[in-house]
Amino acid sequence: AQSVTQPDIHITVSEGASLELRCNYSYGATPYLFWYVQSPGQGLQLLLKYFSGDTLVQGIKGFEAEFKRSQSSFNLRKPSVHWSDAAEYFCAAPDNFGNEKLTFGTGTRLTIIP
Amino acid sequence: GAGVSQSPSNKVTEKGKDVELRCDPISGHTALYWYRQRLGQGLEFLIYFQGNSAPDKSGLPSDRFSAERTGESVSTLTIQRTQQEDSAVYLCASSLSSGGTLPFFGPGTRLTVL
Repeated sequence: AQSVTQPDIHITVSEGASLELRCNYSYGATPYLFWYVQSPGQGLQLLLKYFSGDTLVQGIKGFEAEFKRSQSSFNLRKPSVHWSDAAEYFCAAPDNFGNEKLTFGTGTRLTIIP
Repeated sequence: GAGVSQSPSNKVTEKGKDVELRCDPISGHTALYWYRQRLGQGLEFLIYFQGNSAPDKSGLPSDRFSAERTGESVSTLTIQRTQQEDSAVYLCASSLSSGGTLPFFGPGTRLTVL
């Protein structure tokens, strides 16, 4: 079965520090991959998406992610975090190729400390 | 409206009671999805509506769960004889069409079953 794994349940970083959130997938073909952010009391917002082509994708709010087929990973990065980045982050992929049903990872909660 | 709206935002109910959760999708969006997010877990797909096609109910966890959609507008998710394990945030999303168009999520309804 297709799956998306986020190995880190909770990460704490200092404001201004760099950030990397891990996501691993298990798909036979090149998957579509997404990162969503969920702030407290808010719905999920799409940060960025990878469909094909350039393996480094830029998203909103200064986030980027790199698709690495050799590592089956799609890690989310930001060079310098802001206190407003504190949220829950979800990696997702379609259940099957071309499918609109998304399979989500269990999420990584990001805490920012001064 | 500007985004997907859901009501109520919070619902507390007693075990065994029925509940109805409402979703108003973005105007013009033909596809509508329901997901469930249990505490500390990722999103579980529940059901998907696309236009006049038969809904994909493959994610509904039991026959206590049902959903309806009126045309391409409002959807209602009904949970009968609620159980404590039904406690979760129920998220609705809509998209312009199926086949790779990413969904926009609502803020969710937090259901607590006592």
